[in-house]
Amino acid sequence: ETGVTQSPTHLIKTRGQQVTLRCSSQSGHNTVSWYQQALGQGPQFIFQYYREEENGRGNFPPRFSGLQFPNYSSELNVNALELDDSALYLCASSDRARGEQYFGPGTRLTVT
Amino acid sequence: EDQVTQSPEALRLQEGESSSLNCSYTVSGLRGLFWYRQDPGKGPEFLFTLYSAGEEKEKERLKATLTKKESFLHITAPKPEDSATYLCAVQDNDMRFGAGTRLTVKP
Repeated sequence: ETGVTQSPTHLIKTRGQQVTLRCSSQSGHNTVSWYQQALGQGPQFIFQYYREEENGRGNFPPRFSGLQFPNYSSELNVNALELDDSALYLCASSDRARGEQYFGPGTRLTVT
Repeated sequence: EDQVTQSPEALRLQEGESSSLNCSYTVSGLRGLFWYRQDPGKGPEFLFTLYSAGEEKEKERLKATLTKKESFLHITAPKPEDSATYLCAVQDNDMRFGAGTRLTVKP
C-alpha cells in the first residue's frame, strides 16, 4: 500500500510569485484535503476535494485554489504569494466513508 | 464559534511517569474526534478516531477517551520515543485542529 506523497519537499519563492504544490493520495482513497501549518500551530484547513469537486473550504482567500485529478492526485495553487504564506503545507487523503485522514510529509514553503 | 483547545501546551515527563493530555471542543455537530501524533518536520500520523461519548480506544501505551465536551489522551509509562506533538482534531462540516501538546519524555 502506497502512502501519501507530496512534492516538492522544500520551496523558496519571492513575494508576488505563484506556486503549485502536488500530492498523490494513498491508494483506495477518493478524498484529498489541504492544510496550512504555521510553526507551533495546528494545521489549518484550506479545502477538500472529493471526486474532482471542491467539497468544503476554510477561511482562505480565493488566491488559494486547487484541483483533483481522476486518479485522485491533487494540486494546491497559491497566487500572489505573501510573506505570511510561509508555512508547512500538508496534504491528507481519506476514504469518503471514514473520517480519519492520512497525511503526507508536507511541503515547506518559504516566501521572501 | 467552533473551537478546539488543547492543554497543556507543553508537558515534560520522566520515563515511566503516566499523564493525560486534554482536548476540549465546542462544535455544533460532532462527526468524529481524531488524535494524531506529529514528529518535528513531518506530517501528522493518525492514532485514533472517537465518534460518541463514552467511547475508548487503546494502542500500546496510549488510550483515548471521549465525553460530550472533551477528550483525553492517557499515556501510561511513557518512553522517550513517545516524545512528539499530539494533535486533536474535531470534524463537523470541516476538520478543525487544536494547537497541540508538545510532549517530552526524559530517560
